[in-house]
Amino acid sequence: DAEITQSPRHKITETGRQVTLACHQTWNHNNMFWYRQDLGHGLRLIHYSYGVQDTNKGEVSDGYSVSRSNTEDLPLTLESAASSQTSVYFCASTPGLNTEAFFGQGTRLTVV
Amino acid sequence: AQSVAQPEDQVNVAEGNPLTVKCTYSVSGNPYLFWYVQYPNRGLQFLLKYITGDNLVKGSYGFEAEFNKSQTSFHLKKPSALVSDSALYFCAVSWYSSASKIIFGSGTRLSIRP
Repeated sequence: DAEITQSPRHKITETGRQVTLACHQTWNHNNMFWYRQDLGHGLRLIHYSYGVQDTNKGEVSDGYSVSRSNTEDLPLTLESAASSQTSVYFCASTPGLNTEAFFGQGTRLTVV
Repeated sequence: AQSVAQPEDQVNVAEGNPLTVKCTYSVSGNPYLFWYVQYPNRGLQFLLKYITGDNLVKGSYGFEAEFNKSQTSFHLKKPSALVSDSALYFCAVSWYSSASKIIFGSGTRLSIRP
């Protein structure tokens, strides 16, 4: 069955380190998204991509970057991790407009 | 700016009673509306959506939602709540010019007591 997987599921890192969270989907969806989930804020969009070599900033993109070298993967990089980036991160994909999103299981990131 | 609001952080309902989780939105043009559910330590799961047509849409696990254009609302409902419905519920919206971008509400925790 097609799926979307995130790794690692849990990560503890130190302030200032570079961290990359992986997202891999086998749905062959063009659209991929990264969200962070924080209490009281719901899910906030970090970055998104509509296809290979396409990336766009979301509402909370500062300190994050993504790259899209193939259809299946959209890794999220924290350039220099900060305590404010402690959160649960979700990757999602959709085939197009008007369609529901499929979510990964999430990555819990703690920056100490 | 486009937005979606869930005015209640928590909703408490007795098992067997009807439940409603509220959602209002603000977008330019016609909205595409979604409800998702999140169980502990899991990703979000799709429940139902409204794109066009009948204002009452039915989804998974006996849930339904009513689109009300004049009130810009999309409330989630279930006639008879189950303890297993206890979870975090998110309303989400996209729109034609959003090019598939989806924005989410802050979530409502639904607690069903036996």
